[in-house]
Parts: sequence; C-alpha cells; structure tokens
Amino acid sequence: DSGVTQTPKHLITATGQRVTLRCSPRSGDLSVYWYQQSLDQGLQFLIHYYNGEERAKGNILERFSAQQFPDLHSELNLSSLELGDSALYFCASSQHPSYGYTFGSGTRLTVV
Amino acid sequence: AQTVTQSQPEMSVQEAETVTLSCTYDTSESDYYLFWYKQPPSRQMILVIRQEAYKQQNATENRFSVNFQKAAKSFSLKISDSQLGDAAMYFCAYWVDSNYQLIWGAGTKLIIKP
Repeated sequence: DSGVTQTPKHLITATGQRVTLRCSPRSGDLSVYWYQQSLDQGLQFLIHYYNGEERAKGNILERFSAQQFPDLHSELNLSSLELGDSALYFCASSQHPSYGYTFGSGTRLTVV
Repeated sequence: AQTVTQSQPEMSVQEAETVTLSCTYDTSESDYYLFWYKQPPSRQMILVIRQEAYKQQNATENRFSVNFQKAAKSFSLKISDSQLGDAAMYFCAYWVDSNYQLIWGAGTKLIIKP
C-alpha cells in the first residue's frame, strides 16, 4: 500500500457520460498530481494542486476538471466521455517534488 | 525546453544477467533531482531510485544502481542479476526548482528472458 488511495479501481461507462475519480493523498502530502496513461503509452500530465490551489495544468481537455478539497483529497471530473478517454488515470502525491511522487494504483476507465 | 529522452523503447536481457537502461535529459539548471520509476504489469508506479544532482556519488538500491554523468546529462539505470520480477516499463524523470512537476521520459520496456 503506497498510502495514496484511488477509487474506484475500475470504471466502465458509456460515451457521453460523466464520471468522478477520487484520490486521497498520502498523509502529510499537500500536492496532488493527476496523470493519464493510455495503453502502452507514457504518462500525460493533466493537473497539479497544492494545498487546495491549482498550480499547473498540462494537456487537460476542457471536458475534464479537477479540484482539491480542504481535507486535501482530490477529484477529477471527466464529462462528455469519448471512446478515446479510455485510459488509466493516476493520482500521485508528494511532500515536495524533489523527493519524487508516490502513486496510487490508478483508476482504469473504459468508455464503451 | 526541458526534456527527458529514453532512446531504447524496448530492451531484453537474460535472467541473472546485467542490463543498463539509458536516459538523457536537458536542463540548464545546476541543482535538480533524478528518478527512475518502475511500472510492472500491475501498472502500479514504483519509485526505484533517486539521485541528487549535487551529489557525486551514484545512488544504489540493492541490485539497482545508476551511472550519473552530470556533464553529459546522462542518468542510466543498471540492473544487476536480473530477475523475472524486474520485467516492467521503466521511466526516467527529473525535477528542477523552476518546475512544479516532474519531467518524464517516454519509458523503456524491459523484458526478462528465463
């Protein structure tokens, strides 16, 4: 157990639907990062939150949004889902990026 | 631009032998941190090793060690006595103070032949 909790582990939904992915960071970590990883691909950075505030945005679609709550958990909202959104979505947390990230086990999203 | 290049999309090695995965990066900063992550078939991302750029000594974690060449901006990972459980995708990454997040390479798929 890495200490970063992601739920759900698997999600199957239809095109056009909206889903919410949840992440609880490791205790003491203020930063949360979201990544998308398609099959056999690298990590695509989506967004970074630090202590409730958005710090950086990567290649995040307008249909996607995220937030970090006062208890530091974060949610990634994906709407108007398309087949191409099927991927593994990772959440990672860190106390400071110089220490590296601790990753959750990911949410595998399948859009049918 | 700050980039990480892993020039070997795929590598294979015989079990019990040694393999080296290459990584080069590009930054004008003098102080930064380098990482190797492993992603086995379970898809869990696991930190393998971390190197502080200001340290001359190469980091080592059991069978995993790095060859850090700061002038050449090279950060290769050596896996000794390869085991079947080492089969995974390996990602190189680094962080500099001017970035909020890690910069990642595209990954190298390591295959272990029994």
